[in-house]
Amino acid sequence: ETGVTQSPTHLIKTRGQQVTLRCSSQSGHNTVSWYQQALGQGPQFIFQYYREEENGRGNFPPRFSGLQFPNYSSELNVNALELDDSALYLCASSLESGTSGNEQYFGPGTRLTVT
Amino acid sequence: EDQVTQSPEALRLQEGESSSLNCSYTVSGLRGLFWYRQDPGKGPEFLFTLYSAGEEKEKERLKATLTKKESFLHITAPKPEDSATYLCAFSDNFNKFYFGSGTKLNVKP
Repeated sequence: ETGVTQSPTHLIKTRGQQVTLRCSSQSGHNTVSWYQQALGQGPQFIFQYYREEENGRGNFPPRFSGLQFPNYSSELNVNALELDDSALYLCASSLESGTSGNEQYFGPGTRLTVT
Repeated sequence: EDQVTQSPEALRLQEGESSSLNCSYTVSGLRGLFWYRQDPGKGPEFLFTLYSAGEEKEKERLKATLTKKESFLHITAPKPEDSATYLCAFSDNFNKFYFGSGTKLNVKP
């Protein structure tokens, strides 16, 4: 069984640029969620994708957008980067059954630094 | 407003000294309450899911319990390798997930 993988591991971008982060879900999982984790804080929910559609969204502006592909992998896109976007970005996959809370399995994260 | 609060922020224990971590939550419709362990520089590692008040789950030295407003993670006779940040989270009926800031546990030999 393959776990959740993310790429790249680290990334440095300049304020105003755009970035794309990638995630491959655990085999057998159909749902992907993205989180932003600042140093010393808990993960903040960005959004969730189920069957290639956004299925839930946290309090993040529209410049945070995503995609889910037919193989359940996913991308997180962030436009017009700001210094405060510097954080660890986590991807989590789960098997959505629609009937109960779905436990999520996390990848190792992508460390984004905006200068 | 849905939210989750964890206490204490940090906890230092001697090896073998049992204790409990607290997670207080406010949610309009709970789908699941989750506990995770996170080591520095890594993604959270899933520990438990609890669905309803009164439910309990155990794994090695860890036991998670749930009431209508709180969840506790009990650590019995901890070892140094239990040192990590423990995160509590819940999902609501709108498919939103809320994480606490975590409790940083340090177990000294």
